[in-house]
Amino acid sequence: GEQVEQRPPHLSVREGDSAVITCTYTDPNSYYFFWYKQEPGASLQLLMKVFSSTEINEGQGFTVLLNKKDKRLSLNLTAAHPGDSAAYFCAVSAPGNYKYVFGAGTRLKVIA
Amino acid sequence: EAAVTQSPRNKVAVTGGKVTLSCNQTNNHNNMYWYRQDTGHGLRLIHYSYGAGSTEKGDIPDGYKASRPSQENFSLILELATPSQTSVYFCASGDATKLYAEQFFGPGTRLTVL
Repeated sequence: GEQVEQRPPHLSVREGDSAVITCTYTDPNSYYFFWYKQEPGASLQLLMKVFSSTEINEGQGFTVLLNKKDKRLSLNLTAAHPGDSAAYFCAVSAPGNYKYVFGAGTRLKVIA
Repeated sequence: EAAVTQSPRNKVAVTGGKVTLSCNQTNNHNNMYWYRQDTGHGLRLIHYSYGAGSTEKGDIPDGYKASRPSQENFSLILELATPSQTSVYFCASGDATKLYAEQFFGPGTRLTVL
């Protein structure tokens, strides 16, 4: 079955710096990709969903890149601020398969 | 407002005891899921359901049962709780009418088995 590897497990950056989190997956049939943010003690909030092949999606202060050829998904926080400190998880699913496979998560700490 | 709620939010149980975690959703979604979250593992799928009366095994079903008596409610049952089941449990609902079936998560239940 699908396996998702997320790197790095921990990341510490200074305020204003960029931060990059990457997930690689194994199933070429995977088609739907998601990034979730989880603040300490809280539930998961959807940051962005990505469906297409090689695509850049931009949100508030972050960019998501999907490279289906390399089976790699990345989340790039362009100018991190302390409010970005949280755990981030990628999730992957295939068409018609309503189950997600999650990465193990990245604990991001942004130092002011 | 559509939401996924879980009860209890915190639970302390004894080894060998029975534990029931409850989930309720007002999203009117067909699909519901139970995950556990442990450090270093992300979220792992325990059981899921496609609608009332259906339950399916996820990736780590051993030691757990599930029940979906209605569209809104999905329960996770630990018949004989063990300390290895100490974890944070999340319930989610998903809209099966959409191809990508985005999942919406509840606030979580912290379970400690002594």
